[in-house]
Amino acid sequence: DAGITQSPRHKVTETGTPVTLRCHQTENHRYMYWYRQDPGHGLRLIHYSYGVKDTDKGEVSDGYSVSRSKTEDFLLTLESATSSQTSVYFCAIGTGTNQPQHFGDGTRLSIL
Amino acid sequence: RKEVEQDPGPFNVPEGATVAFNCTYSNSASQSFFWYRQDCRKEPKLLMSVYSSGNEDGRFTAQLNRASQYISLLIRDSKLSDSATYLCVVNMNTGFQKLVFGTGTRLLVSP
Repeated sequence: DAGITQSPRHKVTETGTPVTLRCHQTENHRYMYWYRQDPGHGLRLIHYSYGVKDTDKGEVSDGYSVSRSKTEDFLLTLESATSSQTSVYFCAIGTGTNQPQHFGDGTRLSIL
Repeated sequence: RKEVEQDPGPFNVPEGATVAFNCTYSNSASQSFFWYRQDCRKEPKLLMSVYSSGNEDGRFTAQLNRASQYISLLIRDSKLSDSATYLCVVNMNTGFQKLVFGTGTRLLVSP
């Protein structure tokens, strides 16, 4: 399995609180991604990174920010969590265009 | 029209059966295609890439039909352990590796 670790694995928090999810990889892959998965929807891209300090928005980026200060770490932050952000969050890594991505175990986030 | 569409199923089949799933995609410029498998409450895992000439991996065969813009996955001799959701994934070739995921087809294999 690809060396991807997400933390925490589960989190319950309250509306309005800040939340940070961490993705750590040991594969030295250039590309890293954050997705959310909700019933009735496919995985949807939140943000992605194509290098250290190089990030861009995906299709559902509102309310989220990211940072990548090291190749191995990609952080996803919910500045002020809302109930609509209750979801399962997956981090993925990839080597480039036309190559598949490999996923971490996911983080189950509940916003009450 | 959705970028990637799949029949959600579930497909209920007995052990040993052959089952096929199709997936249609909207962007004729798409260049790469994948099938992923996702077990309940787990992460998606790459099952196989789909090449233009079609490819086979054991009991699994993937095919691409560019003219009709669909890919297929055939599973022969189904096992109980094949029960999962199968995700069709298409690279939309937008200059950045944008993978679009279908919502998945659920397969249930029964004894």
